[in-house]
Amino acid sequence: EVQLLESGGGLVQPGGSLRLSCAASGFTFSSYAMSWVRQAPGKGLEWVSAISGSGDSTYYADSVKGRFTISRDNSKNTLYLQMDSLRAEDTALYYCAKDEVAVVGTLTSFEYWGQGTLVTVSS
Amino acid sequence: QSVLTQPPSVSAAPGQKVTISCSGSSSNIGNNYVSWYRQLPGTAPKLLIYEKKNNRPSGIPDRFSGSKSGTSATLGITGLQTGDEADYYCGTWDSSLSAEVFGGGTRLTVL
Repeated sequence: EVQLLESGGGLVQPGGSLRLSCAASGFTFSSYAMSWVRQAPGKGLEWVSAISGSGDSTYYADSVKGRFTISRDNSKNTLYLQMDSLRAEDTALYYCAKDEVAVVGTLTSFEYWGQGTLVTVSS
Repeated sequence: QSVLTQPPSVSAAPGQKVTISCSGSSSNIGNNYVSWYRQLPGTAPKLLIYEKKNNRPSGIPDRFSGSKSGTSATLGITGLQTGDEADYYCGTWDSSLSAEVFGGGTRLTVL
């Protein structure tokens, strides 16, 4: 059974940093690309970042480019999102999601999602 | 402002059929595979339709269907049930942005 368990969320001041983690199990982690998708309170889904199965290729939404860094440790079956220079508008529930294939792009689709970890940016 | 455009809300009676549209462009829907997700209140999104892979994941009933024409995609739901009340999102890759994009979401109300 595929399981994705996010952690690392919390309350942080504007300009601060947080590192989210997503522990994966039930599938061959290195064979699939992974993404972070967020949802601000009462708002829709916003894709944040993706990384290929090998970790060689990364992609970011313009809203987080230069501030967030996605990475993965295939030996630990864990996905990460390092978030720096946080802003109030980054407040959201952050989901990790498993892709259908190893390469990010046209075949991207998310059949499995975690339950999310809440990030609140406020002074 | 979302890259993909969905109606904010739709409604229909139990047992009826409803369609939800998703409009994009040649850089996203026109040349990439579309997925549809359902999000029940307080839960994570769930994949309903994946255009490429046999349409529906296991466990998704055939009441749910997806279609695409040009730069627009449509989700169809037949035999509406009160349990179908949820937010529905379309998503696809945008080749110009090198980013996954979602529609703004459509709230379905089963009257």
